[in-house]
Amino acid sequence: QVHLVESGGGVVQPGRSLRLSCAASGFTFSHYAMHWVRQAPGKGLEWVAGVSFDGSKKSFADSVRGRFTISRDNSKNTLFLQMNTLRGDDTALYYCARGQQWLDFWGQGALVTVSS
Amino acid sequence: EIVMTQSPATLSVSPGERATLSCRASQSVSSNLAWYQQKPGQPPRVLIYGASTRATDIPARFSGSGSGTEFTLTISSLQSEDFAVYYCQQYKNWPLLTFGGGTKVEIK
Repeated sequence: QVHLVESGGGVVQPGRSLRLSCAASGFTFSHYAMHWVRQAPGKGLEWVAGVSFDGSKKSFADSVRGRFTISRDNSKNTLFLQMNTLRGDDTALYYCARGQQWLDFWGQGALVTVSS
Repeated sequence: EIVMTQSPATLSVSPGERATLSCRASQSVSSNLAWYQQKPGQPPRVLIYGASTRATDIPARFSGSGSGTEFTLTISSLQSEDFAVYYCQQYKNWPLLTFGGGTKVEIK
């Protein structure tokens, strides 16, 4: 059974950094592309970043490019999102999701609140 | 960047009635489109991919159609559990994905 469990969320001041993790189980992690998608309170879904199965190809939304980095450790079945220079509009529930093209499994999300 | 626009923002439908949701892409995405359902407090769940293929365990009352820039999600006879928010998502430019703004299907 596929499981994705995000961790690392919390309250952080503007301008600071935070690193999210997503622990995957129940499938061959190294065979799948992975993504981060966020949802601000009461708002819609916003794709944040994606990484290919082997980590060689990465892509970012314009809103986070240059501030966020996505990476993965296939030996530990873990996906990461390094978030730097955080802003108030980064406040959201951050989901990790599995998907080569469409996203077929999602975690429950990690809440990130950026506030002074 | 491909922009996805969904309409209407809110759709009021009575149980048992048909619901038709629209999604438009700012440029052709061919059939590289998925639909998701999200209920309060839950992550999204994929319903349709490839514009018209139902995902695993999705009931037959959900159907998708369209290609290029115009897409439709149809729920043939709304059940109580179908009242939720629905999102479309293009993946033509994978790994760069974009979602539509969502359509909330509420009870009339």
